Amino acid sequence: GENVEQHPSTLSVQEGDSAVIKCTYSDSASNYFPWYKQELGKRPQLIIDIRSNVGEKKDQRIAVTLNKTAKHFSLHITETQPEDSAVYFCAASIDSGTYKYIFGTGTRLKVLA
Amino acid sequence: NAGVTQTPKFQVLKTGQSMTLQCAQDMNHEYMSWYRQDPGMGLRLIHYSVGAGITDQGEVPNGYNVSRSTTEDFPLRLLSAAPSQTSVYFCASSSERLAGYETQYFGPGTRLLVL
Repeated sequence: GENVEQHPSTLSVQEGDSAVIKCTYSDSASNYFPWYKQELGKRPQLIIDIRSNVGEKKDQRIAVTLNKTAKHFSLHITETQPEDSAVYFCAASIDSGTYKYIFGTGTRLKVLA
Repeated sequence: NAGVTQTPKFQVLKTGQSMTLQCAQDMNHEYMSWYRQDPGMGLRLIHYSVGAGITDQGEVPNGYNVSRSTTEDFPLRLLSAAPSQTSVYFCASSSERLAGYETQYFGPGTRLLVL
């Protein structure tokens, strides 16, 4: 079955630095990869996503890259701010009509002021 | 639109009790899912539905039942609660038809404690 591995589990960066979170997936049929941000006690919120026919997508300070050959995708946050501190989850979905999402185990990002 | 709503927000059960976690969405989404979130384990899929009358199992379905009699509602039933079911439960919905892809929107969650 599909498996998604996410690294690192925790990440501390200085304010203004960049943060990178990486995920690998096992099922080559996966073709949709969303990233969610979850603040303490809140629900996961979609921040960016990418489909398998695209190699990179950017939205202001956030970007996601996808390497289909290596089966991994990454979240890049530039110019980090204290409000970026949260847990980030990657996920992979198989667009086969089942719409099942498999999530990574999460990365706790701490931006130090 | 209220989006995805869940009730209750918090519940304490005794081992062996049964209960139903409610989930509703008003976005006319065809896909709905239930996840549980445990520390260090991310979100794990319990059950999901691709439309009214159609449900299927996810990664961790044991001890839970679901039904989808309407597009709007997707209740999750705990048949006989166990301490291992202590978790935060999230309901989510999505629609490929409306958005062109299956972005999921999550409800606020239900925190369940089984004693």
